[in-house]
Amino acid sequence: NAGVTQTPKFQVLKTGQSMTLQCAQDMNHEYMSWYRQDPGMGLRLIHYSVGAGITDQGEVPNGYNVSRSTTEDFPLRLLSAAPSQTSVYFCASSYGFGTGGSYEQYFGPGTRLTVT
Amino acid sequence: GENVEQHPSTLSVQEGDSAVIKCTYSDSASNYFPWYKQELGKRPQLIIDIRSNVGEKKDQRIAVTLNKTAKHFSLHITETQPEDSAVYFCAASTGNTPLVFGKGTRLSVIA
Repeated sequence: NAGVTQTPKFQVLKTGQSMTLQCAQDMNHEYMSWYRQDPGMGLRLIHYSVGAGITDQGEVPNGYNVSRSTTEDFPLRLLSAAPSQTSVYFCASSYGFGTGGSYEQYFGPGTRLTVT
Repeated sequence: GENVEQHPSTLSVQEGDSAVIKCTYSDSASNYFPWYKQELGKRPQLIIDIRSNVGEKKDQRIAVTLNKTAKHFSLHITETQPEDSAVYFCAASTGNTPLVFGKGTRLSVIA
């Protein structure tokens, strides 16, 4: 298994540009999440999904869109990049959020995004 | 929603000493409490977790304790080694919602 994969590893955008961060998992996990990590701020939830066709907002959703058309993929779209979106983005997947089955949340390797 | 506070933000210990990191949570419905370790430039990885029906769990040199009444849980690392140096995150979940993370503790083990 490749686990959770993310592309690209690094990206530089200009203010106002749009782009999609890709996330895929091959563990047949229903639950997938996107986090951003900023120094001293921990991991903050952007959006999450509990299955194909179902998404919901997290703590910091503004400026980001998601969709979940398949179990495997959960892309994150930046609509109009802003310097405040400079961060490291992690995708994660799991069988559940804490009840039933295996609880472990597996993280992808991250995407380091810089917006100038 | 859930709020997780984590202390201290930085911690330095001598090799061989113990390290303790503490977290408090706000939602009494939370029932799952994992700890993640993140090495520099790497992804967070689960090191230990505990459910609300258990008060303590150990795995070799690491242990986690949970006090449901006070709504706090702690990570204990004994006989610290230089390879324990990393950022540690606690998290909490009700089981129906995603993990909410603390802000992290940077642990430095000085040889």
